Amino acid sequence: DAVMTQSPLSLSVTLGQPASISCRSSQSLVHATGDTFLNWFQQRPGQSPRRLIYQVSIRDSGVPDRFSGSGSGTAFTLKISRVEADDVALYFCMQGTHWPYTFGQGTMLEIK
Amino acid sequence: EVQLVESGGGLVQPGRSLKLTCAAAGSTFEYYGMHWVRQVPGKGLEWVAGIYGNGRRIDYGASVKGRFTISRDNTKKFLYLQMNSLRPEDTALYYCIKDITPGGADQWGQGTLVTVSS
Repeated sequence: DAVMTQSPLSLSVTLGQPASISCRSSQSLVHATGDTFLNWFQQRPGQSPRRLIYQVSIRDSGVPDRFSGSGSGTAFTLKISRVEADDVALYFCMQGTHWPYTFGQGTMLEIK
Repeated sequence: EVQLVESGGGLVQPGRSLKLTCAAAGSTFEYYGMHWVRQVPGKGLEWVAGIYGNGRRIDYGASVKGRFTISRDNTKKFLYLQMNSLRPEDTALYYCIKDITPGGADQWGQGTLVTVSS
């Protein structure tokens, strides 16, 4: 199975400042099709996860452009350019290239 | 519009069975892969099982293989998870997930809570 390792596990950021979360996979996430199925999710307290980014860097509809994804192969990053109060949540990566799908441990973002 | 609605969770004794159902809204249900994923409150997520849109591929997480069975009814737009020989460690919030984009886990239901305890 592809083991997904996120860091940091918690993040305290001042409003308006940037934030960055790393996600590394134990194996390449490049699919036989050439696509890379690496997703990022946001989960606010008491809510279901909401996908923010798919295929490494494509933002879902309605996701602010403050959120961006990058990376390739086994190393990926989610960046928030300017953190807002509404961004307080758990963020996790998920790979959908290989079955079983596997998830990072999650990064809890809080406001400093 | 709520796209995926899970039901069937509850309190069950160890060794007993439970069947979860996920009702999907919208058309073309049969085109999409579906999955069950679980989350222990305050902890991480674990993929439980997945099934192709046409049902031709099915797989399970190691911790549930041999005990759980995923299935779907494309005419009724339902996804199921039959859970047998339940253990306390199966206690979690179970989410139904739809792959609209490949490997995308695009849509999640609100989850149904399963508690295995005597």
